[in-house]
This record gives sequence, C-alpha cells and structure tokens, in this order.
Amino acid sequence: GIQVEQSPPDLILQEGANSTLRCNFSDSVNNLQWFHQNPWGQLINLFYIPSGTKQNGRLSATTVATERYSLLYISSSQTTDSGVYFCAVERVGSGGGADGLTFGKGTHLIIQP
Amino acid sequence: GAGVSQSPSNKVTEKGKDVELRCDPISGHTALYWYRQSLGQGLEFLIYFQGNSAPDKSGLPSDRFSAERTGGSVSTLTIQRTQQEDSAVYLCASSLRTGGGYEQYFGPGTRLTVT
Repeated sequence: GIQVEQSPPDLILQEGANSTLRCNFSDSVNNLQWFHQNPWGQLINLFYIPSGTKQNGRLSATTVATERYSLLYISSSQTTDSGVYFCAVERVGSGGGADGLTFGKGTHLIIQP
Repeated sequence: GAGVSQSPSNKVTEKGKDVELRCDPISGHTALYWYRQSLGQGLEFLIYFQGNSAPDKSGLPSDRFSAERTGGSVSTLTIQRTQQEDSAVYLCASSLRTGGGYEQYFGPGTRLTVT
C-alpha cells in the first residue's frame, strides 16, 4: 500500500514562531488532507489539497504532486495550535473503489507561552 | 449544518461481549468510512460504504468485525466476542462519494475499552 511519512515527529516552539511540517507519500494520490487532532481526539479538517497551494488565516499548505510531498506552514504560532497534525492521502483508485485515507504517524506540536 | 455524529462516545465492555457502534453521516453524503485509532497502530482504515454497499471488507481486522449501512445513511460497526486488543477509538467519516478523491469529514469517535 501507499506509504506516508511525516516530519518532524515532535516539534516544540515558542509562541509567535513559525513552523513547517512535511508529508512525503509514495504513490500518486487524488486526495490529500491535513488534520489537526485536538486534545479531545476530534480530527479537524485544515486543508483538502491534492495539489496546489491554499491559505487559511495563519495556516497555509502546498502540495507538489509530481514530487509527492506536501507542506503545512503555521505562522505566528499560538498555544491553541498545540496538538497532533496528521497528513492523510488516498491513492488514485483501482476501478473507482476506495482505499480510504492512509495516515502518517503525525507531528506532535507543542507551543509554549 | 450538522457534522458526523457517533454514539456512544465512550463504551466500556467486558472481554467476550458484543458491542455495536453507530455512525450518522453528514446529510447528503453517500460515502461512509470507518477507521480506528490505537496507540500501537496509529490511524487505520477499516471499511467504506458507497450507498449501502461495502465492496471490500479486507480491511476489517478479523471476522469478529462486521459493518452494515441501511437506507444510505446510518451505519453500525459490530464487534463480536470483544478482545482487549480491540480497545481503541473508532472513527467514522463521510464524504460526498468515493472514487474521486472527495474530502472526508470525521466524527468525534467512540472510545472503546475492553476490560
């Protein structure tokens, strides 16, 4: 199956700092999503970005599909940004079926005041 | 509008008992997915439905697991004869449809603890 690798696994920053999280994947995809898992375990959709660049406030993401990676940028970090960030992909399907999302192991981000 | 809902939010059961987990997708979403999150395995995909049909059950961990969906809406995941290794958070997601890379939206999950 498709492999998804996220880096770094852990990241500790001071409030106000910027960060870049990376996601590498091993096959062509038709879906790539970034999630933030909050302390209660809820997966919050950040971006649906199989290709291109998107921005939402202090967050932005870029996916370079031809080179099989995606980046999530967080600017001016706040303590509420703490949590685990997951990248998940769905590979180009076989006969219109679904393999579901394959998740990376996540980046655990801690923002210190 | 309302998001994906799941019930119960928490379930504690004794080893060997059967449990049923319920998922109510976003209205109008024809695709529904089940995942589970455990410490050892991370987030793993279990099964999907397009309408009421589940074409591929190979992602279910064992034959003690089954899932059904009726009326193209609510789905139940049933685990028979629960084992301690079944302890995990079971997540449900929905999307407009499958097969074209549609964005998935997740429910809050059911935390299952098998004692």
